[in-house]
Amino acid sequence: EVQLLESGGGLVQPGGSLRLSCAASGFTFSNYAMSWVRQAPGKGLEWVSGISSSGGRTYYTDSVKGRFTISRDNSKNTLYLQMNSLRAEDTAVYYCGKDLSGYSYSGRVDYWGQGTLVTVSS
Amino acid sequence: QSALTQPASVSGSPGQSITISCTGTSSDIGTYNYVSWYQQHPGKAPKLMIYDVSNRPSGVSTRFSGSKSGNTAFLTISGLQGDDEADYYCNSFTTSDTVVFGGGTKLTVL
Repeated sequence: EVQLLESGGGLVQPGGSLRLSCAASGFTFSNYAMSWVRQAPGKGLEWVSGISSSGGRTYYTDSVKGRFTISRDNSKNTLYLQMNSLRAEDTAVYYCGKDLSGYSYSGRVDYWGQGTLVTVSS
Repeated sequence: QSALTQPASVSGSPGQSITISCTGTSSDIGTYNYVSWYQQHPGKAPKLMIYDVSNRPSGVSTRFSGSKSGNTAFLTISGLQGDDEADYYCNSFTTSDTVVFGGGTKLTVL
């Protein structure tokens, strides 16, 4: 059974940093691209970032470029999102997701974690 | 990276069929068949219902179907049931190597 478990969310002040983690199990992690998708309170889904199975290619939405970094450790079956210079508008539940694709990234998420809440506030 | 356009809400009675549209551009839906649809119940994680325009993952009811015409994709739910009441989102890969979601459609089963 595929399982994705996010952690690392919490309350942070504007300008601060957080690192989210997503522990994966139930599939061969190193064979699949992965995504981060967020959802602000009461709002819709917003794609944040994606990474190829090897980690060699990364993808970002414009609003987080230069502030967020996606990475993965295939030896630990873990996906990361390093978030710096956080803003109030980054407040959201952050979901990690397994991509349908193998090597390349497609943004088609077939399994989702339960999400971790990030609140940016003073 | 403009969001795909979906109607804010749709409704239907049990047993009826409804269709939700998702309009993009030639830079996303019009170019790629990587269009997916997700169902989200309140407080829950999204669930993949349709991928690659019209394919259903294992375990998803055949009442859910997808199609595409030009820059617009469609999700049709037939034989509406109470548990279908949820928010539905489309997404697509884009020519800028990004992903875009629709704003979401709230389905109410009357």
